[in-house]
Amino acid sequence: QKEVEQNSGPLSVPEGAIASLNCTYSDRGSQSFFWYRQYSGKSPELIMFIYSNGDKEDGRFTAQLNKASQYVSLLIRDSQPSDSATYLCAVMDSSYKLIFGSGTRLLVRP
Amino acid sequence: DAGVTQSPTHLIKTRGQHVTLRCSPISGHKSVSWYQQVLGQGPQFIFQYYEKEERGRGNFPDRFSARQFPNYSSELNVNALLLGDSALYLCASSLVGGSGNTIYFGEGSWLTVV
Repeated sequence: QKEVEQNSGPLSVPEGAIASLNCTYSDRGSQSFFWYRQYSGKSPELIMFIYSNGDKEDGRFTAQLNKASQYVSLLIRDSQPSDSATYLCAVMDSSYKLIFGSGTRLLVRP
Repeated sequence: DAGVTQSPTHLIKTRGQHVTLRCSPISGHKSVSWYQQVLGQGPQFIFQYYEKEERGRGNFPDRFSARQFPNYSSELNVNALLLGDSALYLCASSLVGGSGNTIYFGEGSWLTVV
């Protein structure tokens, strides 16, 4: 059974702080990794996509991938109240379907 | 540019009825996938289509079926609806169906079965 694990949270950080979201996965054959942001009542919005070991930065967001440890993380710098949402980690398996974690709820306190 | 479009956005059905959900992928994208998301969980894979061929099927009963049309749009059909089918149904679009491609979701179709 291929699994993606996330801490459900909520992760509470003050405005302006760095939020660190983590995800582990079980399938060593996974090639592509995604972070989606989902506001309550809305559909998932793609935030980051990474497929190489190391870091990928896009604005305030940095995705970090460590395939040896089967670990992917998302850092949000200068967190804003508008970043408060559920963050979904997804892993593409060898048959090209996404396996999702249950999501981590992030709360940014003003 | 238009993103992934889905219809209807909200619908209410009675147990035992049938429902058809529709999806148009991003222009130029040839792969469409369907996911079901129930409250408090991550989306679960239902189907993937690429170039009108089914490339994958998740662990869902035969009541669920789908197809992709020559213009790459897609339909998801669910027969004999159960209360447990109440969920957000998401359509995902990608250029091709393989690794290395970004995957975008539509706004979803909220299905309530009463």
